[in-house]
Amino acid sequence: NAGVTQTPKFQVLKTGQSMTLQCAQDMNHNSMYWYRQDPGMGLRLIYYSASEGTTDKGEVPNGYNVSRLNKREFSLRLESAAPSQTSVYFCASRDRDRPFYEQYFGPGTRLTVT
Amino acid sequence: DQQVKQNSPSLSVQEGRISILNCDYTNSMFDYFLWYKKYPAEGPTFLISISSIKDKNEDGRFTVFLNKSAKHLSLHIVPSQPGDSAVYFCAASATGAGSYQLTFGKGTKLSVIP
Repeated sequence: NAGVTQTPKFQVLKTGQSMTLQCAQDMNHNSMYWYRQDPGMGLRLIYYSASEGTTDKGEVPNGYNVSRLNKREFSLRLESAAPSQTSVYFCASRDRDRPFYEQYFGPGTRLTVT
Repeated sequence: DQQVKQNSPSLSVQEGRISILNCDYTNSMFDYFLWYKKYPAEGPTFLISISSIKDKNEDGRFTVFLNKSAKHLSLHIVPSQPGDSAVYFCAASATGAGSYQLTFGKGTKLSVIP
């Protein structure tokens, strides 16, 4: 099992460019999440998908869109990148819809917007 | 408004001694709490959790204590080892919250000195 994989690992964009961050999990999990981590800020939820075909906004959704392509894959799109979106992005997945199942995280994508 | 607070950005402990990491929360709806450990350039990994119906959960060298009346939890690591040096995040979840999304604290960087 590879767990949660993310591509790319690093990316540099210019202001206004667009890109899609890819996430896939091979654990047959129902729920998937996108977080961003900024220095001194902890992890903040951008969007999540409780199950295939559904997506919902988290704490900081502005400037992002998501697609739950199938049960395995959940992508995050920046339509017009801004320097404020410079961050490390983590994807996570979760097994069941019960509180005592933890989230599993990918290794992250480090994004710099100049 | 920060719902999960880790007021100590950093902590240094001698190898073999006890490490105590603290976390406070404000949202009374939180009923499940988790600790994650994060090494540089990696995603967070689940460490230990506790339900609000308990006041203590133990897993090897790691113990989490929950004081609901004070809205406070702590993570004890005994004995501390150099490999425990990492950033520790406290996270909380509420039953019924969208797919049990997690709210994270800002993290505490633990340094275990050999």
